[in-house]
Amino acid sequence: QKEVEQNSGPLSVPEGAIASLNCTYSDRGSQSFFWYRQYSGKSPELIMFIYSNGDKEDGRFTAQLNKASQYVSLLIRDSQPSDSATYLCAVKVSGAGGFKTIFGAGTRLFVKA
Amino acid sequence: GAVVSQHPSWVICKSGTSVKIECRSLDFQATTMFWYRQFPKQSLMLMATSNEGSKATYEQGVEKDKFLINHASLTLSTLTVTSAHPEDSSFYICSAREQRTEETQYFGPGTRLLVL
Repeated sequence: QKEVEQNSGPLSVPEGAIASLNCTYSDRGSQSFFWYRQYSGKSPELIMFIYSNGDKEDGRFTAQLNKASQYVSLLIRDSQPSDSATYLCAVKVSGAGGFKTIFGAGTRLFVKA
Repeated sequence: GAVVSQHPSWVICKSGTSVKIECRSLDFQATTMFWYRQFPKQSLMLMATSNEGSKATYEQGVEKDKFLINHASLTLSTLTVTSAHPEDSSFYICSAREQRTEETQYFGPGTRLLVL
């Protein structure tokens, strides 16, 4: 079982719509969860992180965490063509060298103008 | 925000040669740096965790003698791909975790390696 699972997509939404990205993780002890955006050929950039159950909003982005279901999601409101990218869900887990961040395979989002 | 640089951004080398990639945290101290590899249309795969002043911890399946990691200071980690082969061609990305927050990872811009 993969540690972090995401639907690879592509997810296609029209401009102005809400894009919903989902992620599940296997390590029930995980405490920190991240969403990164990666444009083609570039390295990931952090969108937001969430530690507590519930919602966390930052501008057009809302992260949702449900630890009981081991589920994290990212909502993008008023989607723009510039939001078209691959979105990576990441989970901080403990390892031999200390804490490390494990990434899902990413969901490709395409926002149609 | 915190900035992480990588050098070089692009490297083309012949099979059998070694390539060194540098990762620097420019405006913060990073006790831990991570090295990832990403093949086309795939996710980031963690190769190793590097803690300043100690040996790197490699993920299962990553050859430590092939991918040499040195984290000599709080702002610099290097990855050396020894005796590179075409299958080592990939996008190598480092990230650094800020000592103060120990939470957020900041990614470098990546190094694209092509082994001929």
